[in-house]
Amino acid sequence: KAGVTQTPRYLIKTRGQQVTLSCSPISGHRSVSWYQQTPGQGLQFLFEYFSETQRNKGNFPGRFSGRQFSNSRSEMNVSTLELGDSALYLCASSLPDGLKYFGPGTRLLVL
Amino acid sequence: DAKTTQPPSMDCAEGRAANLPCNHSTISGNEYVYWYRQIHSQGPQYIIHGLKNNETNEMASLIITEDRKSSTLILPHATLRDTAVYYCIVPRTNSGNTPLVFGKGTRLSVIA
Repeated sequence: KAGVTQTPRYLIKTRGQQVTLSCSPISGHRSVSWYQQTPGQGLQFLFEYFSETQRNKGNFPGRFSGRQFSNSRSEMNVSTLELGDSALYLCASSLPDGLKYFGPGTRLLVL
Repeated sequence: DAKTTQPPSMDCAEGRAANLPCNHSTISGNEYVYWYRQIHSQGPQYIIHGLKNNETNEMASLIITEDRKSSTLILPHATLRDTAVYYCIVPRTNSGNTPLVFGKGTRLSVIA
């Protein structure tokens, strides 16, 4: 089985711009969650989707949003980028038993 | 999530067993212990999980104490490729919609 794929792998944006990241889960996985990893805060949960519905949300401002499509692919969007949004954004997919499988991540640099 | 405590760093000689401890003294009866690792700049990789019995798979063994307040991840023959940050996680539930709360983990350095 192919693993979780994330595109793009690297991205450079400037402050004030917006960005959309994409995640394709493992075939058959209907749950997708997103995490942000920075050197200062470590790995932090952003939100989780199941069957196109957001089920959990972490403590991030409204500039961070996401959605899931009927084929379980997910996107996350960050509007009005700030320097502090520079991070590795990780997507994980899972089955109902809870095992999460992570993608390689998208590294975002905000200048 | 039950709070976990891990040493910030450990060294291990290549070919030797790496034993990574984790304390989770507030764990409740139905909470599992999960281990993930993250090799530099990659996504976290699932290693193993368990409830109360010792578990073994092709990657590692997990030893959970009888009172379940601590566990040890064992990499039987560490290689340089096992150099990574290892996270011990006790999620609130075992369902797929429970977020994983990552602490700082243990940075394992395998030395040639």
